[in-house]
Amino acid sequence: GQNIDQPTEMTATEGAIVQINCTYQTSGFNGLFWYQQHAGEAPTFLSYNVLDGLEEKGRFSSFLSRSKGYSYLLLKELQMKDSASYLCAVRGYQKVTFGIGTKLQVIP
Amino acid sequence: DARVTQTPRHKVTEMGQEVTMRCQPILGHNTVFWYRQTMMQGLELLAYFRNRAPLDDSGMPKDRFSAEMPDATLATLKIQPSEPRDSAVYFCADSAGHSTDTQYFGPGTRLTVL
Repeated sequence: GQNIDQPTEMTATEGAIVQINCTYQTSGFNGLFWYQQHAGEAPTFLSYNVLDGLEEKGRFSSFLSRSKGYSYLLLKELQMKDSASYLCAVRGYQKVTFGIGTKLQVIP
Repeated sequence: DARVTQTPRHKVTEMGQEVTMRCQPILGHNTVFWYRQTMMQGLELLAYFRNRAPLDDSGMPKDRFSAEMPDATLATLKIQPSEPRDSAVYFCADSAGHSTDTQYFGPGTRLTVL
């Protein structure tokens, strides 16, 4: 099975940098996704990591360490519109399992 | 801009009533998922289909829930009879290929069972 842990909530200041961590224990691992979900809306794809290291995409970066069962999502130059939940999801052999999500609040 | 669509967007019903939720996947996307999301449990996979065939419905309470895909443009999730604990947001999602590819989510159906 899959077990995914993320902090429930985080608060950060506009313009700052925030790191959202995700740890997982899994019986099978083929990659890790990050999704963003604004309140009342559907999750949308942000990033995908299958190899160790950092993937950068604009203000957002995602890091993976397979040996440590660890990933993080890094958000730079935070904007108010980044207030949302961020879901870590592990890709197994047959399906994707989502974490409960980290609710990020960006304050002025 | 192709999107997954879901109807209805909101549904309020009384305990014991049948509820049917519908999903139209993106044309050509042949893997379709049904999820339930609550504050306590997060996003839970209920069932998924590939090329209209059910592949995994282990996350779905079999006694009251059923999922079908009568054709490539329609997936349905039914609850009969509904119970207050079924209150949640139900998302349909799809992917272009394998069940572990990037998923595209519909807007969801917010279900309230009184």
